[in-house]
Amino acid sequence: NAGVTQTPKFQVLKTGQSMTLQCAQDMNHEYMSWYRQDPGMGLRLIHYSVGAGITDQGEVPNGYNVSRSTTEDFPLRLLSAAPSQTSVYFCASSFGGDEKLFFGSGTQLSVL
Amino acid sequence: GNSVTQMEGPVTLSEEAFLTINCTYTATGYPSLFWYVQYPGEGLQLLLKATKADDKGSNKGFEATYRKETTSFHLEKGSVQVSDSAVYFCALPRGGSEKLVFGKGTKLTVNP
Repeated sequence: NAGVTQTPKFQVLKTGQSMTLQCAQDMNHEYMSWYRQDPGMGLRLIHYSVGAGITDQGEVPNGYNVSRSTTEDFPLRLLSAAPSQTSVYFCASSFGGDEKLFFGSGTQLSVL
Repeated sequence: GNSVTQMEGPVTLSEEAFLTINCTYTATGYPSLFWYVQYPGEGLQLLLKATKADDKGSNKGFEATYRKETTSFHLEKGSVQVSDSAVYFCALPRGGSEKLVFGKGTKLTVNP
């Protein structure tokens, strides 16, 4: 069982470039979410989804877009990368009504 | 809204020492409380949880008791090992199972 798979593991972008961080889970989880992890800040919620076709904003949504066309996939799009988006990004999923989150191994993003 | 305040580190201990990492929370009602652990280069994984007051969560020798009177959920282990070196996060739901609020994390290093 693969669990939650994130790609790529590392990425370097120039300011203004766009890209998509991929996230896929094979556990048939309804809930999926994206967090960013910054030193001294812990994890902060960017966007989340409670099921296919349904998404909502978290604490820090500006500069990011998401969509959920299937149960399995929840990509995160950076529209125009900024140095402030340099961070480690984690995708997580869980069963509906079950609060245990399963995390991917993360994407380390640097924006120059 | 719900929030959590976690003891900031880093914490450095010798093998077999006693560990306490403090966590206090502010919440409406009595939500479940969690400790997550992040080993180097990996995503977070659930370490333990407690779902109601006076409940004790335990796993891998770690324990935490849900204290309503002191609004605390401190993590303890009687004898740490080098393999316990990791970052530990206290967490609780913001308002739904997909929306956890995390503390800033406490980095633990255990020396042989």
